[in-house]
Amino acid sequence: NFMLTQPHSVSESPGKTVTISCTRSSGSIASNYVQWYQQRPGSAPTTVIYEDNQRPSGVPDRFSGSIDSSSNSASLTISGLKTEDEADYYCQSYDSSNQRVFGGGTKLTVL
Amino acid sequence: EVQLVESGGGLVQPGGSLRLSCAASGFTFSSYAMSWVRQAPGKGLEWVSTISGGGGSTYYADSVKGRFAISRDNSKNTLSLHMNSLRADDTAVYYCARDGSGSPNWGQGTLVTVSS
Repeated sequence: NFMLTQPHSVSESPGKTVTISCTRSSGSIASNYVQWYQQRPGSAPTTVIYEDNQRPSGVPDRFSGSIDSSSNSASLTISGLKTEDEADYYCQSYDSSNQRVFGGGTKLTVL
Repeated sequence: EVQLVESGGGLVQPGGSLRLSCAASGFTFSSYAMSWVRQAPGKGLEWVSTISGGGGSTYYADSVKGRFAISRDNSKNTLSLHMNSLRADDTAVYYCARDGSGSPNWGQGTLVTVSS
């Protein structure tokens, strides 16, 4: 099976743009959709990006997702950072048996 | 609106059993695979198990294989997780989640604590 590797933490100032990476260890990042979840402290995860780059209704267009085959990675980009964006973010994909594989999570600090 | 509501968590002794349930509404339940995902205190998300829409296919993480059983009742729009031989490292918040096409949805979670 493969692993998804995320940076442990990132930080940026309000109003700026931050990108969180998610690198797949083996197999092509493009072979299975990537989802991104936001989890605020004490709350359940919510979906901010699904199927690589789709935003659920209600998620602001400041959130965007992409994949890069050259680096075999997916990225979550948040522009115009707000303090409310401070949370843990997890990427997730599926293996060949359609079982979920999660990244280790990235703590975003907006300071 | 899609809703997933988990129940059944609680305190159980090591070696004990527990059954979690997830009540689904707002979508055609039988058309979607469903999963259980857990999160130990202070840790990341860990996939536990998945069941196909019709219930004929089930998948388990190695950490729970042989101890947990996932099932569903499509007539009642309910997902279940039967947990046996519970260990301290099974302590976690357990979330049910909808798979398949479209935006994944999550429940609010139910806490399972395994301790003597």
